[in-house]
Amino acid sequence: AQSVTQLGSHVSVSEGALVLLRCNYSSSVPPYLFWYVQYPNQGLQLLLKYTSAATLVKGINGFEAEFKKSETSFHLTKPSAHMSDAAEYFCAVSSNTGNQFYFGTGTSLTVIP
Amino acid sequence: DVKVTQSSRYLVKRTGEKVFLECVQDMDHENMFWYRQDPGLGLRLIYFSYDVKMKEKGDIPEGYSVSREKKERFSLILESASTNQTSMYLCASTTRHRAYNSPLHFGNGTRLTVT
Repeated sequence: AQSVTQLGSHVSVSEGALVLLRCNYSSSVPPYLFWYVQYPNQGLQLLLKYTSAATLVKGINGFEAEFKKSETSFHLTKPSAHMSDAAEYFCAVSSNTGNQFYFGTGTSLTVIP
Repeated sequence: DVKVTQSSRYLVKRTGEKVFLECVQDMDHENMFWYRQDPGLGLRLIYFSYDVKMKEKGDIPEGYSVSREKKERFSLILESASTNQTSMYLCASTTRHRAYNSPLHFGNGTRLTVT
């Protein structure tokens, strides 16, 4: 079975600092990877997805993620944190059939003014 | 844009009540999902459906059932609500076409409290 591990359930950064949220996956086949963001009392919104067309994927709100097969990682980054980035972030991988999505336990991002 | 609508944002029910959570999507998606979200546990799949009248158990189906009579609607049923079912419930949908590469589209969630 596939699984996703997010290191760090809580991350705090200063406004303007680099954001780095970690995600490692375990998959025996080429993975289909996603990052979602959840603002308080809302559902999850897609930030970006890995489509195998490029290892560096750009998403919304200035976020990007790099797929590294050798490290089985898909870490999410943003060069400069903004207060509005405070939210919970989930990494997910889907099965080949698309009938199953496996989520990490989430990372709560706090941005300090 | 895909819209997934959950009928209630907040619900308060009593122990033993039968509870219905409704979800409707407007993009003709084949696949629909119900997740439960709890702090520290992330999202856990309760049930999913890949077609009308079809359903598959997820990781935590106990105490829940589902109904999919129409393609756009997927209902989650708590047969006899218990306090340990107090949680945030999220509905999601996706297309079957290139499904492996198609993201889930989520509703805004229903926060259920069972007292």
